[in-house]
Amino acid sequence: EAEVAQSPRYKITEKSQAVAFWCDPISGHATLYWYRQILGQGPELLVQFQDESVVDDSQLPKDRFSAERLKGVDSTLKIQPAELGDSAMYLCASSPTGAQSLNTDTQYFGPGTRLTVL
Amino acid sequence: AQKVTQAQTEISVVEKEDVTLDCVYETRDTTYYLFWYKQPPSGELVFLIRRNSFDEQNEISGRYSWNFQKSTSSFNFTITASQVVDSAVYFCALSGKAGANNLFFGTGTRLTVIP
Repeated sequence: EAEVAQSPRYKITEKSQAVAFWCDPISGHATLYWYRQILGQGPELLVQFQDESVVDDSQLPKDRFSAERLKGVDSTLKIQPAELGDSAMYLCASSPTGAQSLNTDTQYFGPGTRLTVL
Repeated sequence: AQKVTQAQTEISVVEKEDVTLDCVYETRDTTYYLFWYKQPPSGELVFLIRRNSFDEQNEISGRYSWNFQKSTSSFNFTITASQVVDSAVYFCALSGKAGANNLFFGTGTRLTVIP
């Protein structure tokens, strides 16, 4: 069964350091999402890609966060510098069709990267 | 604005009991989608069901059933004869405007099934 892959599963870093997370969506899925889930809360969208283009990054703190999906397949989310408040689970999801679809696809999630900033 | 409310923060039941998880949503869209996901301790969100706003038929899948009531903006989830493996955090989510596809999640309900 196809799955969304993420690495690393766990990351501990000190504040002011740089961290990067990687996501490989289900093969053939055009849309990729990064969500942040703070402990005790539901996930919140950070950025959405269709193929290699950003569709929505309105909630991405662009002063320290960046995301790319250069070839429209896998994606990297970076934080530089990390702050204590960035400690959270970072979830990647993918869905089959493009963002211009009139329907809402089901999003399939990876196992997440749990970030702890000390 | 899109909003999902899961008023039950935590629920504990004894194995084999039935349990219902509540979800109330707010949206101004006429077309929207509702979802339920399960998040076990491992952290991965597992898709359970997707329902569009034009289909108010209740759905049953094994021990799981869903009750969608547009009149009360609710999409409740019932587990029949609960099992220890059902212990997890369950999230209800609402799609954004058509074509945007991003999901708005509730705060989740932690279900503990006691053997």
